[in-house]
Amino acid sequence: TQLLEQSPQFLSIQEGENLTVYCNSSSVFSSLQWYRQEPGEGPVLLVTVVTGGEVKKLKRLTFQFGDARKDSSLHITAAQPGDTGLYLCAGARYGYALNFGKGTSLLVTP
Amino acid sequence: DADVTQTPRNRITKTGKRIMLECSQTKGHDRMYWYRQDPGLGLRLIYYSFDVKDINKGEISDGYSVSRQAQAKFSLSLESAIPNQTALYFCATSDGLSYNEQFFGPGTRLTVL
Repeated sequence: TQLLEQSPQFLSIQEGENLTVYCNSSSVFSSLQWYRQEPGEGPVLLVTVVTGGEVKKLKRLTFQFGDARKDSSLHITAAQPGDTGLYLCAGARYGYALNFGKGTSLLVTP
Repeated sequence: DADVTQTPRNRITKTGKRIMLECSQTKGHDRMYWYRQDPGLGLRLIYYSFDVKDINKGEISDGYSVSRQAQAKFSLSLESAIPNQTALYFCATSDGLSYNEQFFGPGTRLTVL
């Protein structure tokens, strides 16, 4: 069962553009995590959001957790080629393993 | 040195062969996981273990088995490999405290001919 839906699935933009990736569910999560995966490597944790409505910033990346703790978004400002990769969201529920979305593949061209 | 290591990194095998993928971690985490990743399907959980005596099936455990030999070691076996088990396999760990945040190994690329 795919609890988390990510959109868009693919995104190709030019350097300097802004973008937003969405992670949606009908389930409530105790926390939501975002990972980035580069080719040939395992996913690496970027951030965890815990409180409904929470906003966290990591340099040019802004993460938001929905008020109802069912959805999240990742906004990248002035994308750079180094942002290229697969972005995965994952929802945590107490006592369960993480549920991962299918990912958003981002390509940023110079 | 990497905190989570996987061996082998690449493996090509034939249908019907038994394969074991190994994972070791130096993070001191109790929880360990095996995932497979396929294009368009994302990361899917195969098995997970919350401590040495605890083994749980994930969403796609058929055709796989695991062994938790110690806190630091968690191996995944394919008893009789088939071509649709060709995928990228990841081991991950978590401490079970900080929102189950996962630390992944570098992955094993398995090809079953």
